[in-house]
Amino acid sequence: EIVLTQSPGTLSLSPGERAALSCRASQSVRSSYLAWYQQNPGQPPRLLIYDASRRATGIPDRFSGSGSGTDFTLTINSLEPEDFAVYYCQQYGTSPRTFGQGTKVEIK
Amino acid sequence: EVQLVQSGAEVKEPGESLKISCQASGYSFTNYWIGWVRQRPGKGLEWMGNIYPTDSDTKYSPSFQGQVTISVDKSTSTSYLQWSSLKASDTAIYYCARAPVMVTFGGVPGWFDPWGQGTLVTVSS
Repeated sequence: EIVLTQSPGTLSLSPGERAALSCRASQSVRSSYLAWYQQNPGQPPRLLIYDASRRATGIPDRFSGSGSGTDFTLTINSLEPEDFAVYYCQQYGTSPRTFGQGTKVEIK
Repeated sequence: EVQLVQSGAEVKEPGESLKISCQASGYSFTNYWIGWVRQRPGKGLEWMGNIYPTDSDTKYSPSFQGQVTISVDKSTSTSYLQWSSLKASDTAIYYCARAPVMVTFGGVPGWFDPWGQGTLVTVSS
């Protein structure tokens, strides 16, 4: 099983700042089959990025994904108030599919 | 509009059985996988399994194999998640989500998009 470790656990930033969230895999993620999701309180997760760097439909271009192999990053440029949420990475290149434990982006 | 609408919240006692549902609309139900994900209170996301409605090919996480059953009814575009004997530790929100068929990768399921609104299952005596 591929273990995904997200860091930091919590990121305290102000609106307008840039956020960089890390997702590190215990072994190489096949073909960069990695997704990022955003979850706000009381809401289901929402797909942001798939295939490590492809933005999902309707996702603002301030969200970008990068990385390959075992190291992946979600970058949010110029945080908007609605971006303060929990973010999860997920790999779907190997079974069982696995999620990271999440990074909370909170208002400083 | 693609939508996954899940059944309502349930309160059950330990040992009881339960079947929750996820009805899809706005797309061809048999052309995508459906996945199920658990989220315990205040915790992260856990993949439970995926099912392909065309042939009911089902892939379970080892953590959930034998603990739950995932099924579909193509005639109503609905997927189901069921337990035969609930435990208190099954208390969680359960999400269904659509996953594309990765044709360049053996037809296995890809990322999850969109997600249902979630079904809260509470198991307590």
